[in-house]
Amino acid sequence: QKEVEQDPGPLSVPEGAIVSLNCTYSNSAFQYFMWYRQYSRKGPELLMYTYSSGNKEDGRFTAQVDKSSKYISLFIRDSQPSDSATYLCAARSYGNNRLAFGKGNQVVVIP
Amino acid sequence: SAVISQKPSRDICQRGTSLTIQCQVDSQVTMMFWYRQQPGQSLTLIATANQGSEATYESGFVIDKFPISRPNLTFSTLTVSNMSPEDSSIYLCSVGTGGDSPLHFGNGTRLTVT
Repeated sequence: QKEVEQDPGPLSVPEGAIVSLNCTYSNSAFQYFMWYRQYSRKGPELLMYTYSSGNKEDGRFTAQVDKSSKYISLFIRDSQPSDSATYLCAARSYGNNRLAFGKGNQVVVIP
Repeated sequence: SAVISQKPSRDICQRGTSLTIQCQVDSQVTMMFWYRQQPGQSLTLIATANQGSEATYESGFVIDKFPISRPNLTFSTLTVSNMSPEDSSIYLCSVGTGGDSPLHFGNGTRLTVT
């Protein structure tokens, strides 16, 4: 079992829709959770960074972590064509800088 | 966050040759890492580049194949040695400032081995 599972299926949504992305993880020691956005031919860009359980909001983006179910979510409200990218979830434990990544979700927002 | 520059951004190399990838950061960072991103796969950590000492390699990666240097707190190189088509991938430099800080990535080097 991989440490972080992310269904890599592409996702197409119309502009203005809510995008919902999810990951599950297996390592109970994970304390830090990240979402990266990766545009074509670019490196991963840190989008959201959360510690332990709870919600974090930044503009149109909301990250949720539920440690009891080992579930990580990212919501994008009022999606824009510029949100079209691959979104990667990642996690790590305290004191360990090795990130475990999901495979990524390709999101296409259709104008 | 730090500005991370990787060179080259892409290259096409012949089987059996070696390529050295450079990672330059505009500020001193505690940690530097090298990742590999293969199509349809998760990003995989190759090694931690340790300043002034040998790199720490993850399972499945060895120094003879992926020698790494880190002469100071702003620069590192990764060499992909004796390349085969299976080494075709994106290689990413990642940096962190330690503690609870998140990691940031360069734009990667897209390597194709023919």
